Amino acid sequence: ETGVTQTPRHLVMGMTNKKSLKCEQHLGHNAMYWYKQSAKKPLELMFVYNFKEQTENNSVPSRFSPECPNSSHLFLHLHTLQPEDSALYLCASSHSGSGEISYNEQFFGPGTRLTVL
Amino acid sequence: SQKIEQNSEALNIQEGKTATLTCNYTNYSPAYLQWYRQDPGRGPVFLLLIRENEKEKRKERLKVTFDTTLKQSLFHITASQPADSATYLCARTDSWGKLQFGAGTQVVVTP
Repeated sequence: ETGVTQTPRHLVMGMTNKKSLKCEQHLGHNAMYWYKQSAKKPLELMFVYNFKEQTENNSVPSRFSPECPNSSHLFLHLHTLQPEDSALYLCASSHSGSGEISYNEQFFGPGTRLTVL
Repeated sequence: SQKIEQNSEALNIQEGKTATLTCNYTNYSPAYLQWYRQDPGRGPVFLLLIRENEKEKRKERLKVTFDTTLKQSLFHITASQPADSATYLCARTDSWGKLQFGAGTQVVVTP
């Protein structure tokens, strides 16, 4: 496993539920990312946090709400999701210079497999 | 729009042979290209990074090339082993440092 952990690993939820995904990195990085990966499709960048500040919201619907309380933790709060939101949600982290996104490699967690019924 | 494309067909190869994967991109040449490996149900794992001023990069049995004229990167696995079976992702770094991923190519190495 990498130094990035994600919980839960699997989640099944109804469209009216509210749930949260958690990500924690133990690598001392200061940039964290949420990606969505659907079957046979490229990873889609959802959100970027750099030094706890959100620097990217890639036109993600408001039913996905990120939270970054510190450089080591990242959450994705979910509410009133749709079946098409079912996917693998991946968290990643990387080194970053102050005020800019990293050009370095990203370290991914194992992902949360989300199924929306 | 900017695209990054990989061969969607799985690459079936015999153990010991060299697997070659292609990554093509459109529009501008990125400053960096990265290659990742992803196993089923797992997150991608970084393998190699190549800069636009580098023609070739090697790491153990892996080799990556970067041709800005062809707008293409090739990824080679030499002396392939069944343990190399996975999906390999190409990603380019845009001017803001964000990664844009291809859909990946699955490699199956048979004994």
